[in-house]
Amino acid sequence: DQQVKQNSPSLSVQEGRISILNCDYTNSMFDYFLWYKKYPAEGPTFLISISSIKDKNEDGRFTVFLNKSAKHLSLHIVPSQPGDSAVYFCAASARGGGADGLTFGKGTHLIIQP
Amino acid sequence: DSGVTQTPKHLITATGQRVTLRCSPRSGDLSVYWYQQSLDQGLQFLIQYYNGEERAKGNILERFSAQQFPDLHSELNLSSLELGDSALYFCASSVGGGTGAFFGQGTRLTVV
Repeated sequence: DQQVKQNSPSLSVQEGRISILNCDYTNSMFDYFLWYKKYPAEGPTFLISISSIKDKNEDGRFTVFLNKSAKHLSLHIVPSQPGDSAVYFCAASARGGGADGLTFGKGTHLIIQP
Repeated sequence: DSGVTQTPKHLITATGQRVTLRCSPRSGDLSVYWYQQSLDQGLQFLIQYYNGEERAKGNILERFSAQQFPDLHSELNLSSLELGDSALYFCASSVGGGTGAFFGQGTRLTVV
């Protein structure tokens, strides 16, 4: 049973436009959400996170939105650049439960077209 | 460079064998996590250690075990290896408290 779902295996966006990556979760105990970016042959790199007490967090070109009632979060990248082409993983943890192992989605491969 | 070091980078071994993967966390990080990434399963959380003690267990098989030593480095031991254990194994570290964890480059294990 997948507790974190990324339903789009891939997404193609033109350079300069907005990229929107989506993530849904089922476990209501999750209270901390993260996005990671991964290039081939490298480990995932932490991008941005959001606590469940917020509904938005912004860091430069990256913004994460959280809709707790819908159990949905999204990552917006504006403007998209060629270097953004990578696999993006959504992750969640239940920090209130005392353990912070991350549950990952299966990833979305973002391709930025020139 | 994330500051998390994993060795070896690649490992090829036969079924039934036992291997040990090693991880050195970032300086100052007390939490170490192990993840398995296989083609069809994505990143699966295996186990977490915090300052030498087991903190949480995920989808870790009984044939697998881990430990964290006083110097905070960690080892993941995989025994009675099967073909299906072939995967990328990542180690991550963090200061704890659920902050973003930093990942190493992974160990690619191939069981033949």
